[in-house]
Amino acid sequence: EAGVAQSPRYKIIEKRQSVAFWCNPISGHATLYWYQQILGQGPKLLIQFQNNGVVDDSQLPKDRFSAERLKGVDSTLKIQPAKLEDSAVYLCASSLGPGTSGSLAGRTQYFGPGTRLLVL
Amino acid sequence: DQQVKQNSPSLSVQEGRISILNCDYTNSMFDYFLWYKKYPAEGPTFLISISSIKDKNEDGRFTVFLNKSAKHLSLHIVPSQPGDSAVYFCAALNNAGGTSYGKLTFGQGTILTVHP
Repeated sequence: EAGVAQSPRYKIIEKRQSVAFWCNPISGHATLYWYQQILGQGPKLLIQFQNNGVVDDSQLPKDRFSAERLKGVDSTLKIQPAKLEDSAVYLCASSLGPGTSGSLAGRTQYFGPGTRLLVL
Repeated sequence: DQQVKQNSPSLSVQEGRISILNCDYTNSMFDYFLWYKKYPAEGPTFLISISSIKDKNEDGRFTVFLNKSAKHLSLHIVPSQPGDSAVYFCAALNNAGGTSYGKLTFGQGTILTVHP
């Protein structure tokens, strides 16, 4: 079974530029998550999708960050304009979702390799 | 407000010995706990999980213990191997529905080094 795919793996941009990340979840996974991980910290949830709808975006800086999941499969996360403090690893994860009869296994999240962003 | 804490930034263990990684939480609504392992330049890999209705879950060399009254969980690796050297993250899920469903809260991570 293929895992969560992300691209690009690395990106270097200058502040005020824009950048976009792409994620393809595990086939059949209804729930998709974007996390930000700053060096030395655990991942922090930015946004959660259930199929193509947003479930939680309370920690997404909406003045500069946007995300979409058209057709309920692939997702893109965009930053425009980027700031120095956006330098981090951006992780995408997916899970089967709550529709799996409340099974805890359905809530286990599987992560992609991440995109390492450096803003200069 | 750090709801999940891993107070040891690092742990060094000899090969063949036991590694014990600890995690504390404050939110009594957490009902599902997971451990992830992370190698450099890779995403976190799911390792083992435990439901709040259990106090122990075992998978090969890995065992997770949950003490609900103390709001504490630990991951035991026996015997430790050099390939286990990685960052280990403890994470917790909230039982509440709606927007909290599926929202993982992570600890800061513990760097485990297993020496040959």
